Amino acid sequence: AQSVTQPDIHITVSEGASLELRCNYSYGATPYLFWYVQSPGQGLQLLLKYFSGDTLVQGIKGFEAEFKRSQSSFNLRKPSVHWSDAAEYFCAVGSTGTASKLTFGTGTRLQVTL
Amino acid sequence: GAVVSQHPSWVICKSGTSVKIECRSLDFQATTMFWYRQFPKQSLMLMATSNEGSKATYEQGVEKDKFLINHASLTLSTLTVTSAHPEDSSFYICSARATWRGNTIYFGEGSWLTVV
Repeated sequence: AQSVTQPDIHITVSEGASLELRCNYSYGATPYLFWYVQSPGQGLQLLLKYFSGDTLVQGIKGFEAEFKRSQSSFNLRKPSVHWSDAAEYFCAVGSTGTASKLTFGTGTRLQVTL
Repeated sequence: GAVVSQHPSWVICKSGTSVKIECRSLDFQATTMFWYRQFPKQSLMLMATSNEGSKATYEQGVEKDKFLINHASLTLSTLTVTSAHPEDSSFYICSARATWRGNTIYFGEGSWLTVV
């Protein structure tokens, strides 16, 4: 069964500082990996996804993530955080079948201090 | 871009009644939609996979008679919570798979259900 671990429940960074959110997955084959962001009381917005190819994936809002098969990781990064980035971030792994069911991690809440 | 819309965004219902939540793909057809449930400050848990024209596939532990899913068209899936109880209060989110965009999954805005 597929699973996702986000070891950091809560992270606080200063505005302008760099950010890295950790994500480790467990999946038997090559996974489909996603990062979503959720603002309070809102739905999910896709930041980026990895299906295959280049292991460094660029997303929206200046985010990027790197797929490392040897470490079973898909960490999300941003070089300079903005106060508007404060939100809940979810890493997810999807099946390679046609159903594309997603399994989510427990999320990391990002707080940005000014 | 692709948009998935849920309605209503907020709903309050009395215990014992049923409530329906709609999930629509506004600019693409979705043969497969997914329903998730999210408790406060927790992650999303997949409830069921909704397949157009056929029965939904429920995850283990989800009562199919309580959470009725209907996917009658390529742009609409509905989740009906029957005989709702306060413990059914939660944030329900749907998603739809856009096959024409590399199977990217798009999420709705979510629906808050409060059962009083």
